[in-house]
Amino acid sequence: GAGVSQSPSNKVTEKGKDVELRCDPISGHTALYWYRQSLGQGLEFLIYFQGNSAPDKSGLPSDRFSAERTGGSVSTLTIQRTQQEDSAVYLCASSPGTITGELFFGEGSRLTVL
Amino acid sequence: SQKIEQNSEALNIQEGKTATLTCNYTNYSPAYLQWYRQDPGRGPVFLLLIRENEKEKRKERLKVTFDTTLKQSLFHITASQPADSATYLCALGRATGGGADGLTFGKGTHLIIQP
Repeated sequence: GAGVSQSPSNKVTEKGKDVELRCDPISGHTALYWYRQSLGQGLEFLIYFQGNSAPDKSGLPSDRFSAERTGGSVSTLTIQRTQQEDSAVYLCASSPGTITGELFFGEGSRLTVL
Repeated sequence: SQKIEQNSEALNIQEGKTATLTCNYTNYSPAYLQWYRQDPGRGPVFLLLIRENEKEKRKERLKVTFDTTLKQSLFHITASQPADSATYLCALGRATGGGADGLTFGKGTHLIIQP
C-alpha cells in the first residue's frame, strides 16, 4: 500500500478483555515501531523491530503487552487483560531503517477501555 | 534523566506572520533532530531533519535551526496560513539509531494561525 495501515481505527473494550491491534507497514521498510499517545502527552515508545534482529521491548509498560512481527512485515500489538489506563492512541510507524530515517506513521488505533 | 521541552501552551499567531516554535533539551546529546506535524486524529507527518553539524535547514516556508551549545532547536514557519494550524513535534535521535535509543519525542506545541 501507499502508506502505513493500522486497524482497527477505533476499539472500545471492557476492562479485562484482550485486544489486538494490527499494523501493515510500507513495503520494504525494515524498521517498525509502536508508540502510545495519551491525551496531551507525547509519544511513548513501546517496541521496535529491525529486520531479523531481536525486537527492542524496553518500552513495554507491563507483561500484559506483547508484539510480534511476522515475516518481517505485518505486526500485531496485543494487550491482555486491558485496564482503563491502557486507553490511548496506539501509533505504528515504519522506516527504511537508516539511522536518521524519517518515520512514516499510520493513523493510529484509538483504544478505549471501559 | 533526558528531557525534551516544547511550549506546553498553544501558540496563537496572526496569519501572514512568522511562527517560531522552540524545542529545548537537557541531559541528551542528539546526533540529529526531526520535526513532525500532527493534525487531530491523524498520525505525525515528517517535515524536516537537521544533523548536529548543521546550523540551519530550509524547506519552502519552513526553517529549522539547531544549536547544540544552547541545546535548542527553533522551527520557523514564514508567511503563516490558517492551514498551518496543527501540533508540531520535535524528536531527537542518537547516532546508534533505532528502538529506545532512537527517536525521543517532545510533547508538541499546538500552533493556531488566526485569519
